[in-house]
Amino acid sequence: AQSVTQLGSHVSVSEGALVLLRCNYSSSVPPYLFWYVQYPNQGLQLLLKYTSAATLVKGINDFEAEFKKSETSFHLTKPSAHMSDAAEYFCAVSAAGGGSNYKLTFGKGTLLTVNP
Amino acid sequence: DADVTQTPRNRITKTGKRIMLECSQTKGHDRMYWYRQDPGLGLQLIYYSFDVKDINKGEISDGYSVSRQAQAKFSLSLESAIPNQTALYFCATSDGRPNQPQHFGDGTRLSIL
Repeated sequence: AQSVTQLGSHVSVSEGALVLLRCNYSSSVPPYLFWYVQYPNQGLQLLLKYTSAATLVKGINDFEAEFKKSETSFHLTKPSAHMSDAAEYFCAVSAAGGGSNYKLTFGKGTLLTVNP
Repeated sequence: DADVTQTPRNRITKTGKRIMLECSQTKGHDRMYWYRQDPGLGLQLIYYSFDVKDINKGEISDGYSVSRQAQAKFSLSLESAIPNQTALYFCATSDGRPNQPQHFGDGTRLSIL
């Protein structure tokens, strides 16, 4: 079984401040990990993914995430928040290991507010 | 044009009505999914299909049914809608590899009065 916990349902930062959104996962096999962003009235868009090639993953719009196996974490960061980053962010885990019945499990989401 | 298209984008209907939400994709993916999103609950999987002849229940399939009319089309039906099915519904596709992302439509906002 696999699960995702996003710490903090709502994070508020000032424009220009560091963004840190936390994600911890549980998986019985080596995981693949994803961060998605959802802007108002839109579907989910992929920000970045971890697929075991490198532990520090860079995504779109200057977001990055670091896979830490010892901490079972995949936190999302951005050095300087922009107003346009205001959105809901979802962490998701997909179990590796072969077979056709892999499942993508989502966290409950973190709403990011950026204050001027 | 969007890779994954959902229709309608918004729907308001009454309790007991039959509703169909439609999804079409141009990505050529075999796998398609229907999710439900409720505030604070993330996304919950309703049904998924690996190909036209392979349809599977997800976590919350009760009260829903699906039809995979073609590789590119996957529809979700509520046979007799009830108010607690008011939610945002998403269709997604994937190529089947676990290290590849799912691709989402823009969603259908469904309100049942």
